[in-house]
Amino acid sequence: NAGVTQTPKFQVLKTGQSMTLQCAQDMNHEYMSWYRQDPGMGLRLIHYSVGAGITDQGEVPNGYNVSRSTTEDFPLRLLSAAPSQTSVYFCASSYSWRQKQETQYFGPGTRLLVL
Amino acid sequence: AQSVTQLGSHVSVSEGALVLLRCNYSSSVPPYLFWYVQYPNQGLQLLLKYTSAATLVKGINGFEAEFKKSETSFHLTKPSAHMSDAAEYFCAVSDGGTASKLTFGTGTRLQVTL
Repeated sequence: NAGVTQTPKFQVLKTGQSMTLQCAQDMNHEYMSWYRQDPGMGLRLIHYSVGAGITDQGEVPNGYNVSRSTTEDFPLRLLSAAPSQTSVYFCASSYSWRQKQETQYFGPGTRLLVL
Repeated sequence: AQSVTQLGSHVSVSEGALVLLRCNYSSSVPPYLFWYVQYPNQGLQLLLKYTSAATLVKGINGFEAEFKKSETSFHLTKPSAHMSDAAEYFCAVSDGGTASKLTFGTGTRLQVTL
């Protein structure tokens, strides 16, 4: 298993540009999520999904869009990038959303710089 | 809402010394608690988790944590630090809702010196 994969590893955008961060998992996990990591703030949940066709907002959803058309993929879209979205983005997945004690598996991250 | 507080954004220990990273939680329901480790330029990896089966939880790489309900704490310890333990450590709590969302603390960076 490749686990959770993310592309690209690093991206530079100009303010106002749009882009999609890709996330895929090959473990047949129900639950997938996106976090952003900023210095001194830990990881904050952006959006999550409990299965194909089902998504919901997390703590900091503004400026981001998600969809889940398949179990494997969970892309994160930046509609109009802003400097405040400069961050490191992590995708994570877990086998079941029903169990609070499920281990989440994280991808290697995408480092985004918005100028 | 549940929350986690990690005391100390930076901790420095000598190689061979005790490692103690502090985590306190706030929860209105019995919590599920996690410690994750992040090595430089990598994603997060699970160290250990508390799921109410036992209050003393042993994890990978010699780490362990003890759940203390009376103190609302879940501190991470390791008897003897190794240079390879240098990383950032995050405490997290499961959300009380229907999905297994995690709420993270702000992290503690562990430095290990010779």
